[in-house]
Amino acid sequence: DSGVTQTPKHLITATGQRVTLRCSPRSGDLSVYWYQQSLDQGLQFLIQYYNGEERAKGNILERFSAQQFPDLHSELNLSSLELGDSALYFCASSVEAGQGARSEQFFGPGTRLTVL
Amino acid sequence: LAKTTQPISMDSYEGQEVNITCSHNNIATNDYITWYQQFPSQGPRFIIQGYKTKVTNEVASLFIPADRKSSTLSLPRVSLSDTAVYYCLVRGSNDYKLSFGAGTTVTVRA
Repeated sequence: DSGVTQTPKHLITATGQRVTLRCSPRSGDLSVYWYQQSLDQGLQFLIQYYNGEERAKGNILERFSAQQFPDLHSELNLSSLELGDSALYFCASSVEAGQGARSEQFFGPGTRLTVL
Repeated sequence: LAKTTQPISMDSYEGQEVNITCSHNNIATNDYITWYQQFPSQGPRFIIQGYKTKVTNEVASLFIPADRKSSTLSLPRVSLSDTAVYYCLVRGSNDYKLSFGAGTTVTVRA
């Protein structure tokens, strides 16, 4: 158990819909990362937050957005869903921001999103 | 975005040493190189992290040359339970975007 929790574990929805994925980082971790992993694909970095502020942005679609709240939990919002958005979405957390510092990331179990 | 390249797959036998090299140009000069292990339907798990030269922990060693354009993960005496996908993770020098390699599937046979 990494200490990172993600809800829900599974999510099935239809095209055009909007969903919210939730992540609670490990106690004491200020940085949260979101990744997408499609079937048989590698991990694609979406976005990073550090203590409530956006720190780095990957190839995140405009239909996707995220935020980190004052209690440090984070939410990833996916809207106008398409079939191709079906994937495992992982959240990870680390103590530091990661730039120039040791930043071991601890990954949650993931949310499996299926878009029908 | 830093471009990373790893071999797609590697086969090995129990008790052998496995070395996986990741090529990563354009990485941030002040950032660490990290390797992760992933089993099916699980989140990646941290293996080892280094900045330069050699780092060793209880499960692996990491070799990083002076130019930091590549890194080699060394798994000594692998067992069947080491069958997994291994990823290198770096950060781009200009945009600080994180970039995972495509992953190397290591299959260990008895």
